Amino acid sequence: DAGVTQSPTHLIKTRGQQVTLRCSPKSGHDTVSWYQQALGQGPQFIFQYYEEEERQRGNFPDRFSGHQFPNYSSELNVNALLLGDSALYLCASSLGTDYNSPLHFGNGTRLTVT
Amino acid sequence: GESVGLHLPTLSVQEGDNSIINCAYSNSASDYFIWYKQESGKGPQFIIDIRSNMDKRQGQRVTVLLNKTVKHLSLQIAATQSGDSAVYFCADRMGYNNNDMRFGAGTRLTVKP
Repeated sequence: DAGVTQSPTHLIKTRGQQVTLRCSPKSGHDTVSWYQQALGQGPQFIFQYYEEEERQRGNFPDRFSGHQFPNYSSELNVNALLLGDSALYLCASSLGTDYNSPLHFGNGTRLTVT
Repeated sequence: GESVGLHLPTLSVQEGDNSIINCAYSNSASDYFIWYKQESGKGPQFIIDIRSNMDKRQGQRVTVLLNKTVKHLSLQIAATQSGDSAVYFCADRMGYNNNDMRFGAGTRLTVKP
């Protein structure tokens, strides 16, 4: 039973560039949430996708956007990268029809902006 | 500010002892709580959850206690093992139809041999 997979594992970008991160949810899950985790901090909610639409969004600027595909996989896009965007980006999946379905996380993509 | 926070940033215990990790939350509308374990280089791993209509829930070697009166959550780990060394996060959900799980800053548990 495949868990949540994310790619790439590490990425180095320059300020002003754009980046796309990818996520495949756990088998049987249809909902994908994205989190940003700064060093030494807890994960911060970016947004959640369900049925190919953004269902909820956290306090992140419009530079952060996403997409969900018919196979439930998802992408996180960040435009005009800032040094402060350096973080571990986590994808989590759950079952959208089960309100109490806990989030299952991938191992993240470590993004470094120089 | 954060709705969820932990009392101590670090906790050191002897192998075989019991561990207690505490968490406070501020929103009385929080209805669902989860404890996660995060090892170095990995994503958070689900440990145990509890709904607001419960006071206690037990899993394998772990127990979560919820005190809604003082908005306090704790994770108890019995017979702590070296493999339990990690950062532990509590997270809460801000109420029905709100899918935003909010995480605290985490407590680093170190198990001494």
